[in-house]
Amino acid sequence: AQSVTQLGSHVSVSEGALVLLRCNYSSSVPPYLFWYVQYPNQGLQLLLKYTSAATLVKGINGFEAEFKKSETSFHLTKPSAHMSDAAEYFCAVSDQTGGGNKLTFGTGTQLKVEL
Amino acid sequence: DGGITQSPKYLFRKEGQNVTLSCEQNLNHDAMYWYRQDPGQGLRLIYYSQIVNDFQKGDIAEGYSVSREKKESFPLTVTSAQKNPTAFYLCASSDWTITEAFFGQGTRLTVV
Repeated sequence: AQSVTQLGSHVSVSEGALVLLRCNYSSSVPPYLFWYVQYPNQGLQLLLKYTSAATLVKGINGFEAEFKKSETSFHLTKPSAHMSDAAEYFCAVSDQTGGGNKLTFGTGTQLKVEL
Repeated sequence: DGGITQSPKYLFRKEGQNVTLSCEQNLNHDAMYWYRQDPGQGLRLIYYSQIVNDFQKGDIAEGYSVSREKKESFPLTVTSAQKNPTAFYLCASSDWTITEAFFGQGTRLTVV
């Protein structure tokens, strides 16, 4: 069975500071990994994805993530936080066995950006 | 514009009532999914369908039912057997040729 652990349910950074959101996964097969962002009372928007190509993945809004197999990690980073980055972020792993894209999600990290 | 439409955005249900949440997609995706979101628990899979007229239970299917009579539609019924239905429900779709799922804007269901 696949699982995702997001360390830190709440992260607070100052505007302009580095954003680091942590994600560790467990998977019996080579994983597909995703980061999604959710604004209040809205659906999820894809930030970036890892699908076994380059281990450093760049996404939208200046975010990037690095796949580290040895550490089973897929941490999300952004060099300089902006107020508009305040949202909830979800890491997910995809079950590609048998086709389809069933996602197993972490419990989410709420990012707060302070002036 | 292509996308996933969920309706209604807010829904109130009395205890003992069944309610149906709508999910329509015009992305021509084969697979569709229903997730439930509760604070601090992330998203959990309720049901999914990979093709028309076929669907499978997810991790928390008890108290829910679905149908998939058309490729573009995947309605979710929350039955009276679901003891704690108050939550945010998200519908998603994907295709065999892509690796990510696309999400609707969600329906917030509240039991009153």
